[in-house]
Amino acid sequence: GIQVEQSPPDLILQEGANSTLRCNFSDSVNNLQWFHQNPWGQLINLFYIPSGTKQNGRLSATTVATERYSLLYISSSQTTDSGVYFCAVEGSASKIIFGSGTRLSIRP
Amino acid sequence: GAGVSQSPSNKVTEKGKDVELRCDPISGHTALYWYRQRLGQGLEFLIYFQGNSAPDKSGLPSDRFSAERTGESVSTLTIQRTQQEDSAVYLCASSLVRSARYFGPGTRLTVT
Repeated sequence: GIQVEQSPPDLILQEGANSTLRCNFSDSVNNLQWFHQNPWGQLINLFYIPSGTKQNGRLSATTVATERYSLLYISSSQTTDSGVYFCAVEGSASKIIFGSGTRLSIRP
Repeated sequence: GAGVSQSPSNKVTEKGKDVELRCDPISGHTALYWYRQRLGQGLEFLIYFQGNSAPDKSGLPSDRFSAERTGESVSTLTIQRTQQEDSAVYLCASSLVRSARYFGPGTRLTVT
């Protein structure tokens, strides 16, 4: 099956810093989503982005499907950005496979 | 509009008992997924329903786990003879075909 690797596994930043999270996948995919899991465990949709670039406020994402990776950019980090960021991909079997996540901690 | 809802939000059960977890997807969503997340870990796929097609059960960890879905609405995940290693948060998601998945708040299961 498809393998999904996220990096870095952990990231600690000061408030106001920028960050880039990466997701590599091993095969062509039909869709890709980025999620933020907040400290209460709720999974929040960030982007549905099988290809191209999207922006939403301080967050943006780019997926280069031909090279099998996606990047999530967070600018001007805030403490509320803390949590785990997951990349999830859907292959031909239509079930979505999650990466192991990047745990982001923003220090005030 | 209403999102995905799950019940109960928390469940504590004794080892060996059966439990039933419920998921109400977003109305009109044809696809429904169950995932399990152990403490501090990623999401583990359990089962996927798509319309009237046979479900993809490839992620169910043992025959103690089963799930049903009534048409394109509510789904129940049943765990028989619970074990301590079944303790986890069970998450349900729904979507249209090849569209964004929306997750419910999860059911936290604790087996004592």
